[in-house]
Amino acid sequence: SQELEQSPQSLIVQEGKNLTINCTSSKTLYGLYWYKQKYGEGLIFLMMLQKGGEEKSHEKITAKLDEKKQQSSLHITASQPSHAGIYLCGAGKRTYKYIFGTGTRLKVLA
Amino acid sequence: DTGVSQDPRHKITKRGQNVTFRCDPISEHNRLYWYRQTLGQGPEFLTYFQNEAQLEKSRLLSDRFSAERPKGSFSTLEIQRTEQGDSAMYLCASSSSGSETQYFGPGTRLLVL
Repeated sequence: SQELEQSPQSLIVQEGKNLTINCTSSKTLYGLYWYKQKYGEGLIFLMMLQKGGEEKSHEKITAKLDEKKQQSSLHITASQPSHAGIYLCGAGKRTYKYIFGTGTRLKVLA
Repeated sequence: DTGVSQDPRHKITKRGQNVTFRCDPISEHNRLYWYRQTLGQGPEFLTYFQNEAQLEKSRLLSDRFSAERPKGSFSTLEIQRTEQGDSAMYLCASSSSGSETQYFGPGTRLLVL
């Protein structure tokens, strides 16, 4: 079965710094989803990537799916306290169910 | 904008009691999903409905769990004879058949004492 591994597990950065979160799959990714979760709350959809080499941006967050479609990265430029939370990558094929990584916990110090 | 809503947001119960959670999906979405998330983990798939039909159940969904979506709109998840191991966040998500993106509700946090 497919597994997703995220790194790092947690991250503390100073406000204004850039950061990258990685998501590595044990199998080819057919659809890769990035979500953000604030502690104790639901998941907020950020972006979906499907094609190898695809890159999408939303505000200061950029996500990329590598050519071989087994790894994705999420990059935050000039981090702000509002970026703090748990970032989760999820994958699905003909998606009626997703599998998720264990998440990366981000803290941004003001 | 009416996103996915869940009720209640928090539930504390004693071991052995039954609990029921409700999920109202985005109105035009015909697919509905339940996930369970424990502390420090990503969500795990429990079950999936397309309209009123329950099309898949995870092995995580023991006989004490039952989910329904009687009219293809809202869904309920019932846990009978709760155990301490049932303590978790229960998340509901919905999607339309034309899109693979699932939109999540705020979750119901269950604590079994």
